[in-house]
Amino acid sequence: ETGVTQTPRHLVMGMTNKKSLKCEQHLGHNAMYWYKQSAKKPLELMFVYNFKEQTENNSVPSRFSPECPNSSHLFLHLHTLQPEDSALYLCASSQDLGGRAQHFGDGTRLSIL
Amino acid sequence: SQELEQSPQSLIVQEGKNLTINCTSSKTLYGLYWYKQKYGEGLIFLMMLQKGGEEKSHEKITAKLDEKKQQSSLHITASQPSHAGIYLCGADKATSGSRLTFGEGTQLTVNP
Repeated sequence: ETGVTQTPRHLVMGMTNKKSLKCEQHLGHNAMYWYKQSAKKPLELMFVYNFKEQTENNSVPSRFSPECPNSSHLFLHLHTLQPEDSALYLCASSQDLGGRAQHFGDGTRLSIL
Repeated sequence: SQELEQSPQSLIVQEGKNLTINCTSSKTLYGLYWYKQKYGEGLIFLMMLQKGGEEKSHEKITAKLDEKKQQSSLHITASQPSHAGIYLCGADKATSGSRLTFGEGTQLTVNP
């Protein structure tokens, strides 16, 4: 139990569907992150939020739309995804951005048909 | 961008054996993190190293950061099947620590 909960754990969707991934942290952290993990590739940082404000967008396609309504919740809205978007999406949180250890959720395994 | 190279990419050892995983950077590491991941699951934080020459231990796992802060090693003593998984190193981008770059990971298998 890392204190970071992601739902759903698995998601299968068609390319025309719209779905959302949810992340919730119970650690009192101020920073939250979305990562993408594809087979045979290093973890790729997608977005960073600090105190609900987006501080980094790592050139992520607009078909991925993050939302951070408060410091405890982070969403990733998905629409018109491509097969190459199939991956494990990991959420993480840290106390702040200043060189702190990040705590990860178990991820959402996303499959695009 | 800061790239981290991990070696070996995969490792198979017999239970009870010691092993070492390396993480090397072409640039100075301002913060070095070791994580363990089981397939299809999230990353479990193991240790964080910041100072040159620093060494930390947790149970049978020891991590070191060299004096030049460009290489870290993770050493497991008397490995057990429970140690199996993917070990990833991550490093802060510069001093701001606002972003982690990760290595590709080392897949560890421990045979009973």
